[in-house]
Amino acid sequence: RKEVEQDPGPFNVPEGATVAFNCTYSNSASQSFFWYRQDCRKEPKLLMSVYSSGNEDGRFTAQLNRASQYISLLIRDSKLSDSATYLCVVILYNQGGKLIFGQGTELSVKP
Amino acid sequence: NAGVTQTPKFRVLKTGQSMTLLCAQDMNHEYMYWYRQDPGMGLRLIHYSVGEGTTAKGEVPDGYNVSRLKKQNFLLGLESAAPSQTSVYFCASRFNANEQYFGPGTRLTVT
Repeated sequence: RKEVEQDPGPFNVPEGATVAFNCTYSNSASQSFFWYRQDCRKEPKLLMSVYSSGNEDGRFTAQLNRASQYISLLIRDSKLSDSATYLCVVILYNQGGKLIFGQGTELSVKP
Repeated sequence: NAGVTQTPKFRVLKTGQSMTLLCAQDMNHEYMYWYRQDPGMGLRLIHYSVGEGTTAKGEVPDGYNVSRLKKQNFLLGLESAAPSQTSVYFCASRFNANEQYFGPGTRLTVT
């Protein structure tokens, strides 16, 4: 089983739609969580951190469920510019701060 | 402030040749990472470093060596390149629990 798993998609949605991605992790010692965005053939960039209480940044909401070991990302009112691959990331501090990436979920927003 | 830079951006090698990829960061970050990204596989950690003079193995270390002689540089070496090492290589750095910054990537083809 992979340490971090995501539905690879692709998710094809119309503009204005709400879309949700989930990510599950297997190591209960995981302590920090992030969502990154990667545009085609470019480097990944931080979208947002994920806090235990849940957090929101504009149209984006991230949530963490430690008991079930999953992280979610909700995008409301999708824009064409949201089309990208979204990567779930977990930091394992008990392994020297190693970061583990999910394989990414591809989102395509259509007009 | 250049952030994270990678040299070279593109390279074609013949099987059996060797090369070194250079990653440099000017943010005084302690942690540095080397990943490879292949279609459908997501980002996989090759080696990482938690500080100057230290290195550790990631998920897929075989066929690669690294060195961190200076805090700002993290070198990835391929002693005898194989076609299976054709990939996009990303370097990243971070400070404690904060955002991980990525370099622009090196596209390597081994023929």
